[in-house]
Amino acid sequence: GAGVSQSPSNKVTEKGKDVELRCDPISGHTALYWYRQRLGQGLEFLIYFQGNSAPDKSGLPSDRFSAERTGESVSTLTIQRTQQEDSAVYLCASSLAIQNTEAFFGQGTRLTVV
Amino acid sequence: AQRVTQPEKLLSVFKGAPVELKCNYSYSGSPELFWYVQYSRQRLQLLLRHISRESIKGFTADLNKGETSFHLKKPFAQEEDSAMYYCALRARNAGGTSYGKLTFGQGTILTVHP
Repeated sequence: GAGVSQSPSNKVTEKGKDVELRCDPISGHTALYWYRQRLGQGLEFLIYFQGNSAPDKSGLPSDRFSAERTGESVSTLTIQRTQQEDSAVYLCASSLAIQNTEAFFGQGTRLTVV
Repeated sequence: AQRVTQPEKLLSVFKGAPVELKCNYSYSGSPELFWYVQYSRQRLQLLLRHISRESIKGFTADLNKGETSFHLKKPFAQEEDSAMYYCALRARNAGGTSYGKLTFGQGTILTVHP
């Protein structure tokens, strides 16, 4: 595809339900990042993957959050037992390699927990 | 730890006026600094990076290690510059290669009035 693709673009879920957010990076990009953007706030780092290295999970806010990546392709961010404070735009980005390259962002998934 | 601070949440100027968006960082090592921009209804995209030392759309930014700043400047603002601007930091190793997560500031909404 032409760019990073995220699905769904919008998701409304009930408090307590689990949600899965998907990210399709640009083909060949070995690095993949997830960020959260709450209303009126900056981008909060969640997790990043680089090739076969262990992912940096240092930004995950709680054990309700997890992410997986299949090889160098699709990634899924899972939020279990969603809470209202999880409402945010979740952004995914990918880059060609970890060193010295630009990160390309998707359009984001707007998650609303009601 | 990496930290990026953008002290102004909102910045308004008139067309043709100079504009400066402030960015300060905190990082014990050698950083790579970026400015990302998000125009209305568009994806977050790279505007410029300090290692390139280039001017994009009339914007420039100089890394000042003494003041730990990376302010974004443009001598004559245009209405199409209205957007959200994010300053971001990435670690660099001894060889000058940047790696790892991008740490973003809170963002500054720039509005250029006609």
